[in-house]
Amino acid sequence: AQKVTQAQTEISVVEKEDVTLDCVYETRDTTYYLFWYKQPPSGELVFLIRRNSFDEQNEISGRYSWNFQKSTSSFNFTITASQVVDSAVYFCALRGFGGSQGNLIFGKGTKLSVKP
Amino acid sequence: SQTIHQWPATLVQPVGSPLSLECTVEGTSNPNLYWYRQAAGRGLQLLFYSVGIGQISSEVPQNLSASRPQDRQFILSSKKLLLSDSGFYLCAWSAGTGIGYTFGSGTRLTVV
Repeated sequence: AQKVTQAQTEISVVEKEDVTLDCVYETRDTTYYLFWYKQPPSGELVFLIRRNSFDEQNEISGRYSWNFQKSTSSFNFTITASQVVDSAVYFCALRGFGGSQGNLIFGKGTKLSVKP
Repeated sequence: SQTIHQWPATLVQPVGSPLSLECTVEGTSNPNLYWYRQAAGRGLQLLFYSVGIGQISSEVPQNLSASRPQDRQFILSSKKLLLSDSGFYLCAWSAGTGIGYTFGSGTRLTVV
């Protein structure tokens, strides 16, 4: 069975603090993709990053960085120098290629509040 | 470029009334299409997916059904809404390889 766990339900930080959102996944597939999405208060899902299971290189995009570690089945997301506009619910998701067709499994999300 | 349209954005329906939510994709052919629901502001649950016209797979048994009458059209329906059907419904599409997903803007459904 595939599963994504985001243990942090809510996080509150003050602007300019760094914050890390945790994501732990479970899958028996050797080929899989991991995603992070941002859901602002308006509700739409904004794609942030996709990483395949064969690429463990960490990635940095501006203030965002992702740490993928297969040894611990984790795909953590760090926001450096957080801003109020970062306030949103963030979802980690997993797409395996051995399970049901088209099944993108989401974690329950982490609500991030950045206060000025 | 590919775009996905979903409507209506907001809907308030009485218990027992029918439902029809529509999703269309432009700029691509033979997409995989998905309906997700987010209840109580959290957790996205896959409801239905379709890999082609008339091909619907259900992930969770419930009061809803889906149809795909055209290649780029995906409809979510109910004959009689329940209070528990309230939530935020998102349509999504992906190419055949199913790697990248693009989501619509969502429909916020309140059943009263």
